[in-house]
Amino acid sequence: AQSVTQLDSQVPVFEEAPVELRCNYSSSVSVYLFWYVQYPNQGLQLLLKYLSGSTLVKGINGFEAEFNKSQTSFHLRKPSVHISDTAEYFCAVSGFQKLVFGTGTRLLVSP
Amino acid sequence: DVKVTQSSRYLVKRTGEKVFLECVQDMDHENMFWYRQDPGLGLRLIYFSYDVKMKEKGDIPEGYSVSREKKERFSLILESASTNQTSMYLCASSPPGHTTGYGYTFGSGTRLTVV
Repeated sequence: AQSVTQLDSQVPVFEEAPVELRCNYSSSVSVYLFWYVQYPNQGLQLLLKYLSGSTLVKGINGFEAEFNKSQTSFHLRKPSVHISDTAEYFCAVSGFQKLVFGTGTRLLVSP
Repeated sequence: DVKVTQSSRYLVKRTGEKVFLECVQDMDHENMFWYRQDPGLGLRLIYFSYDVKMKEKGDIPEGYSVSREKKERFSLILESASTNQTSMYLCASSPPGHTTGYGYTFGSGTRLTVV
């Protein structure tokens, strides 16, 4: 069965600093990987996804993620964050007919 | 764009009431899902449906039921609401396929408070 681990429940960072949100997955088969973002009191929206091909995936709002098969990781990065990036971020892996989500990482950007 | 609409953003219900949460999608997706979201626990799958009149239990189905009479509508029912069902409820949909490369489209969520 697939599983996802987001080790950091909360990541505080100053505006314009770089950030990395970590995601590790477990799966015995080839996977699709996703990052979703949830702004306060809203649903989740897709940031980016990895299906195949280039291991570096670019998403919306300047985020990117790198698929590393040997380390079973799919970390999310942004070189310079804004206050507006304050949100909760969820990593997900494809399972049989449904996605399996991590517990989320809250990104707190302060001035 | 696919749209998933949840009928209420905020709901306050009394203990013991029967509660209906409605979700409608407009892209002819076969798969629909109900999750609840609680701090520190992430998203937990309550029920999902692959087609009209079909339903499958997720990880935490106790205290809930669902209805899918039409393809575009998936309703979550709390038979007798309890305070421990106070939560954010998220509906999602996706096209068919045994691996979900498409991902999900989510609604905006319903924040339910049971008093």
